[in-house]
Amino acid sequence: NAGVTQTPKFQVLKTGQSMTLQCAQDMNHNSMYWYRQDPGMGLRLIYYSASEGTTDKGEVPNGYNVSRLNKREFSLRLESAAPSQTSVYFCAGGQSETQYFGPGTRLLVL
Amino acid sequence: QKEVEQDPGPLSVPEGAIVSLNCTYSNSAFQYFMWYRQYSRKGPELLMYTYSSGNKEDGRFTAQVDKSSKYISLFIRDSQPSDSATYLCAMTAGDYKLSFGAGTTVTVRA
Repeated sequence: NAGVTQTPKFQVLKTGQSMTLQCAQDMNHNSMYWYRQDPGMGLRLIYYSASEGTTDKGEVPNGYNVSRLNKREFSLRLESAAPSQTSVYFCAGGQSETQYFGPGTRLLVL
Repeated sequence: QKEVEQDPGPLSVPEGAIVSLNCTYSNSAFQYFMWYRQYSRKGPELLMYTYSSGNKEDGRFTAQVDKSSKYISLFIRDSQPSDSATYLCAMTAGDYKLSFGAGTTVTVRA
């Protein structure tokens, strides 16, 4: 039982490149979330999916898109990466008050 | 002004001391209050959650919520070096959106 898994663990991109961050959960949660974590800012919600087939914007959605592929998988896409998107990205699954986080993806945009 | 305020510390205590952490918030709609622990380069791990006002105890950890003052606390008794981590408070009105504090870094000295 791995909980929430994320790939890749670390990525370096050049400005303007695109990439997709993958997330999968084996806890059978309906809801999944994508956050970014920056120093001094705490965790900020980018997008969430309350159930399979639905997605909604969070606090900082600009520059990102998401896909809820099925109940297990929720991906985050950066179409044209910018240095401001350098951050640590966390995926989570669970209800609003009991969310379980993955290990994170460290992204550096040059 | 941030919705959730948390003193970033850092906080350094000797082994066996009581660690006291707190957060204040401005949104009176918040009903669920959580504390997460995050070790360096890992994902946040849910420690405790509390619904509405009151106290909750789990082993060496006690969470307190005072909704009238918009103030929450986490106490760690008999602190151990393994408690050294960043502690994040989080809260939600139950609408899938968590608001996080910036986190307090705690070091327990052996």
